[in-house]
Amino acid sequence: GQQVMQIPQYQHVQEGEDFTTYCNSSTTLSNIQWYKQRPGGHPVFLIQLVKSGEVKKQKRLTFQFGEAKKNSSLHITATQTTDVGTYFCAGNTGTASKLTFGTGTRLQVTL
Amino acid sequence: DTAVSQTPKYLVTQMGNDKSIKCEQNLGHDTMYWYKQDSKKFLKIMFSYNNKELIINETVPNRFSPKSPDKAHLNLHINSLELGDSAVYFCASSLDWTGDNSPLHFGNGTRLTVT
Repeated sequence: GQQVMQIPQYQHVQEGEDFTTYCNSSTTLSNIQWYKQRPGGHPVFLIQLVKSGEVKKQKRLTFQFGEAKKNSSLHITATQTTDVGTYFCAGNTGTASKLTFGTGTRLQVTL
Repeated sequence: DTAVSQTPKYLVTQMGNDKSIKCEQNLGHDTMYWYKQDSKKFLKIMFSYNNKELIINETVPNRFSPKSPDKAHLNLHINSLELGDSAVYFCASSLDWTGDNSPLHFGNGTRLTVT
């Protein structure tokens, strides 16, 4: 079955440092979504990427979708303590709403 | 108003018992889901319903039985609970089932602990 892996599993940064998480799918995706889950919370949708090579920005967050539509990345510039949480990518193969979530990257930010 | 609400928030029960989790969404979405998040934070889809019809049924023990009385509600009943069922169960909804431009809206989760 489809697998979606994320690296790193965990990253600890100091506030102000940059952070990147990478997402790799075993199959070609029709689109990819990113979610953030704060500690003790539920996943919250951040963004969806659809086109090959697409780049989208949300303030300090930059999302990319690979040319082959099998990988994606999320880059946070100058992290803040409010960025703490687990970031999940979720790949969609276009069949029957079956989003496959990545393994997640937990981000810890300290002052 | 909460968009996707599920109850209870916490559920502590003994092995062998039967329990139910309820979920309701007021977003007018057609599709609802149950996801399981284990202790390692892996999120796995269990079931998906579109307009009350089951469209995804992953490899889940038949002790788990979802029911959708209408498109705004999706409940999960679990029989003969086992220790391995301990997890956080999330209900979610989306506008439709195609996955195109249809992000998931999650409920706050139900933390199930089986002792």
